[in-house]
Amino acid sequence: DTGVSQDPRHKITKRGQNVTFRCDPISEHNRLYWYRQTLGQGPEFLTYFQNEAQLEKSRLLSDRFSAERPKGSFSTLEIQRTEQGDSAMYLCASPPRPLNTGELFFGEGSRLTVL
Amino acid sequence: AQSVTQLGSHVSVSEGALVLLRCNYSSSVPPYLFWYVQYPNQGLQLLLKYTTGATLVKGINGFEAEFKKSETSFHLTKPSAHMSDAAEYFCAVTTNQAGTALIFGKGTTLSVSS
Repeated sequence: DTGVSQDPRHKITKRGQNVTFRCDPISEHNRLYWYRQTLGQGPEFLTYFQNEAQLEKSRLLSDRFSAERPKGSFSTLEIQRTEQGDSAMYLCASPPRPLNTGELFFGEGSRLTVL
Repeated sequence: AQSVTQLGSHVSVSEGALVLLRCNYSSSVPPYLFWYVQYPNQGLQLLLKYTTGATLVKGINGFEAEFKKSETSFHLTKPSAHMSDAAEYFCAVTTNQAGTALIFGKGTTLSVSS
């Protein structure tokens, strides 16, 4: 158990529907990251929060994607008008401790299947 | 900007044989380097890391990796493979600047046969 929780673990939806994923990071830590992992690929960086501020967004994060972190605690990732290409595992991660040593602890992910 | 190249998307070894998974990185500043393992239907687990200091680092489950700056490499090894080592392995790079994202390679699937 890494201390990073994600919900739901699995989501099946029809093309065009909206979906939302939630991440609860390691408590008392101010940095949170979202990644996407497709089959046979490594995790790809999507976006990064420090407290409630979204400080960096990848070009992979199209305008159909939005992420929030109200109050600097849990975070949500919403995908609007889903497309089949959005099918992937969405991973949330946070550092294990405030001192920056580079590593991230990952949640078990939310797997999205778009039909 | 950082990047990682993992040579060989699939490596097969026999039980008891040496495991060698290759990773080369690119970074304009001193890198922090990591290996993660992902077992089927499980999350990513940190195997080992290099930040500063000793260039040979040891991790969990008998794995180790050596940082070679001159070769921009961080290859993962294990002297004797076990069936339980079958998984996908990812090399990743970042920097010492807080907030810099981890950049992952595409992964290497390790198969172990009896």
